[in-house]
Amino acid sequence: DVKVTQSSRYLVKRTGEKVFLECVQDMDHENMFWYRQDPGLGLRLIYFSYDVKMKEKGDIPEGYSVSREKKERFSLILESASTNQTSMYLCASSLLPGLAGGQNTGELFFGEGSRLTVL
Amino acid sequence: RKEVEQDPGPFNVPEGATVAFNCTYSNSASQSFFWYRQDCRKEPKLLMSVYSSGNEDGRFTAQLNRASQYISLLIRDSKLSDSATYLCVVNRIGTGNQFYFGTGTSLTVIP
Repeated sequence: DVKVTQSSRYLVKRTGEKVFLECVQDMDHENMFWYRQDPGLGLRLIYFSYDVKMKEKGDIPEGYSVSREKKERFSLILESASTNQTSMYLCASSLLPGLAGGQNTGELFFGEGSRLTVL
Repeated sequence: RKEVEQDPGPFNVPEGATVAFNCTYSNSASQSFFWYRQDCRKEPKLLMSVYSSGNEDGRFTAQLNRASQYISLLIRDSKLSDSATYLCVVNRIGTGNQFYFGTGTSLTVIP
């Protein structure tokens, strides 16, 4: 089974701190994503990466940066945490549809989430 | 206009009922379609992919109508364990593999 592992399930940080959220996947997926999920707003894409060292802004990149130095690892960085970044952060990965045979429909596999509280 | 729209519910149904969720998407270039299930304070998990011919998995049936840009999920004989939020997800290839989410439909199955 595909495994997407996020480094921390729960974090509490103070305003202005630098925060690192790490995500590792074990299935050689090209595509990796960081989302945040807030009540009533659904999942919103922060950044995604379709290859090593490649990154693309999503819908809400402000206040965030990312790093993808290795294919299996995609890190989300909050340079200076603010209270409005209190949220559930979800990492996900996928293959492109059609690769690796007919079983692959290109679906997303999610990590368990990191619930960040910024005080 | 949002890429993917769902009725947020909530749907409160008795055990054994049949319930249907609908979803529309705005971009006709969308290629793959999915229903995900999300339990409270957990990550979304794939329930089923949706194919043009329709597909069934036990009590769950998914349908896709590309002409109307409409996706549905039917749950028959609802169980208490079906209580969750159901997310409609649409995918297309742009710069990488891009996914678009509905805000989810909340289902509570009542004893």
